[in-house]
Amino acid sequence: QITLKESGPTLVKPTQTLTLTCTFSGFSLTSSGVGVAWIRQPPGKALEWLALIYWDDDKRYSPSLKSRLTITKDTSKNQVVLTMTNMDPVDTATYYCAHRGWFGELLPWGQGTLVIVSS
Amino acid sequence: EIVLTQSPGTLSLSPGERATLSCRASQSVSNSYLAWYQQTPGQAPRLLIYAASSRATGIPDRFSGSGSGTDFTLTISRLEPEDFAVYYCQQYGSSPRLTFGGGTKVEIK
Repeated sequence: QITLKESGPTLVKPTQTLTLTCTFSGFSLTSSGVGVAWIRQPPGKALEWLALIYWDDDKRYSPSLKSRLTITKDTSKNQVVLTMTNMDPVDTATYYCAHRGWFGELLPWGQGTLVIVSS
Repeated sequence: EIVLTQSPGTLSLSPGERATLSCRASQSVSNSYLAWYQQTPGQAPRLLIYAASSRATGIPDRFSGSGSGTDFTLTISRLEPEDFAVYYCQQYGSSPRLTFGGGTKVEIK
């Protein structure tokens, strides 16, 4: 059974750097074809894809946020870490991580973690 | 960059009615790697359909997906009370690798 869980701060100040950790079980990020994605959802708004990392350390980013995002993996800890620099109140959202399936679908998702950006 | 446009924005229907949701891509979705999700308030999205027309495990057969290229459809044959939610389409593969549509809310009329 695959599970993922996001963790990180609930509150960050504007201009700070956000670091979120996705801890997973039930699969290995060393296995060919495996990927983990980060997605966010501002309150009352649509889903927005942020970043994706693959088993071979290939990394892809949303073009609109690419300059602010870094995704990394720690296979020994079964973790994927997302950092986002220069946080702004518009970055307030629930942040999810998810396992990427063979056809590009995201299954399952973590429960999400709410991040509020406020001074 | 591929853009997914979902329509309508809101669909007002009664239980038992048929729902037809559209997802149109600005360019062809590679390999028909198009997925549909259902989201209820406070919950993470739930995968319904992957590869345009394959139902995910445990999804009732009243949910079906169709389409290819740039036009995709999610159909709910007979709405149950628990189906009133927001639905998102998502593509994988075409630049920028992964994209979501803006969502369609299915509300009770």
